[in-house]
Amino acid sequence: GESVGLHLPTLSVQEGDNSIINCAYSNSASDYFIWYKQESGKGPQFIIDIRSNMDKRQGQRVTVLLNKTVKHLSLQIAATQPGDSAVYFCAENTLNAGNMLTFGGGTRLMVKP
Amino acid sequence: KAGVTQTPRYLIKTRGQQVTLSCSPISGHRSVSWYQQTPGQGLQFLFEYFSETQRNKGNFPGRFSGRQFSNSRSEMNVSTLELGDSALYLCASRPGGGSSYEQYFGPGTRLTVT
Repeated sequence: GESVGLHLPTLSVQEGDNSIINCAYSNSASDYFIWYKQESGKGPQFIIDIRSNMDKRQGQRVTVLLNKTVKHLSLQIAATQPGDSAVYFCAENTLNAGNMLTFGGGTRLMVKP
Repeated sequence: KAGVTQTPRYLIKTRGQQVTLSCSPISGHRSVSWYQQTPGQGLQFLFEYFSETQRNKGNFPGRFSGRQFSNSRSEMNVSTLELGDSALYLCASRPGGGSSYEQYFGPGTRLTVT
């Protein structure tokens, strides 16, 4: 499959453990944030999003936390499974400035069985 | 509902040639955005089209252009290809009009310039 990054930071976790992937964003005016998952040979897949008027949002097995004070975003995956192995990207957007997502560099998650 | 489709999936071109890539958004989606993904630069925004109009443009040279048709399908064109244009080109669609901000990506077109 395609290489999405030659020197990505890697997080290695044991199957069943919880995973936390972190992201620092750059624009204090950003008001919309998204996490994407990209598997080899595929396009990014939407996981969860959060608006800047929220600190936390939960989905199925995933939670996104937003700390606007330090411009930090995290993705928590509960009970990590082998199928969660992929590269994870955070993206930010300023909604009234158009639909241009600015992506972080990505983190490779490896789940050990 | 079918997802975003992109054609072709793989393409090999020679320096100096031009290339056209195609994207069909999810049915009912009116906004189409294009991104370039490379190992060195990551994912970078190229441009966005909504109702046949370019709404935003990223920091890419004029060799990169695009258009959108009345059925929301979009094409992007790269002229005078350079080796550095080798990348995965991704298309994303969303409903547009402020109703939803989720963008859905296609599988991409892998362009190799030799």
